Amino acid sequence: GQSLEQPSEVTAVEGAIVQINCTYQTSGFYGLSWYQQHDGGAPTFLSYNGLDGLEETGRFSSFLSRSDSYGYLLLQELQMKDSASYFCAVRDPGANNLFFGTGTRLTVIP
Amino acid sequence: DAGVTQSPTHLIKTRGQQVTLRCSPKSGHDTVSWYQQALGQGPQFIFQYYEEEERQRGNFPDRFSGHQFPNYSSELNVNALLLGDSALYLCASSLGWQEKNIQYFGAGTRLSVL
Repeated sequence: GQSLEQPSEVTAVEGAIVQINCTYQTSGFYGLSWYQQHDGGAPTFLSYNGLDGLEETGRFSSFLSRSDSYGYLLLQELQMKDSASYFCAVRDPGANNLFFGTGTRLTVIP
Repeated sequence: DAGVTQSPTHLIKTRGQQVTLRCSPKSGHDTVSWYQQALGQGPQFIFQYYEEEERQRGNFPDRFSGHQFPNYSSELNVNALLLGDSALYLCASSLGWQEKNIQYFGAGTRLSVL
């Protein structure tokens, strides 16, 4: 089976940096993805790590350590619009669908 | 370029009824997946359609069924609705098998079962 663990809630100040962690247990590993979902909106793809290390996309970065079964999403220069839920996800073994974590609700405060 | 579209946006049904939700994938995408998202939870995989066939299925009962049409659009049918079926139903499209497996989601159909 698969399991993903993320903190349920995180609060951070506008302009600051926040890190959202994700630990996983999978029967086969095919990369770690991150999705953002605003209230009432569709989940949207943010980042993907297939290999160990850091991937950077603008203000967002994602890190993976396969030996530790651990990854994180780093959001820099936080803006109010970053208030949303963030999900880590892994691919189901041998399949083309995603298994999602329960999500981290990020609240950015002034 | 139209993204993933779903209809209807909201739906209210009573227990025991049947419901059909519809999805049009992003232009050029051939694979459609359906997810159920309960309040405060992550999306949970229901099933995936490719070439008009169900290719993978999550841990959902047979009351949940689907279909994919030649134009790649898809329907999700739920029979004998239960109160616990109340959720946001998300459709996601993708193109074949790719390493990143990026799923493009629609805004969902909010189903309320009374």
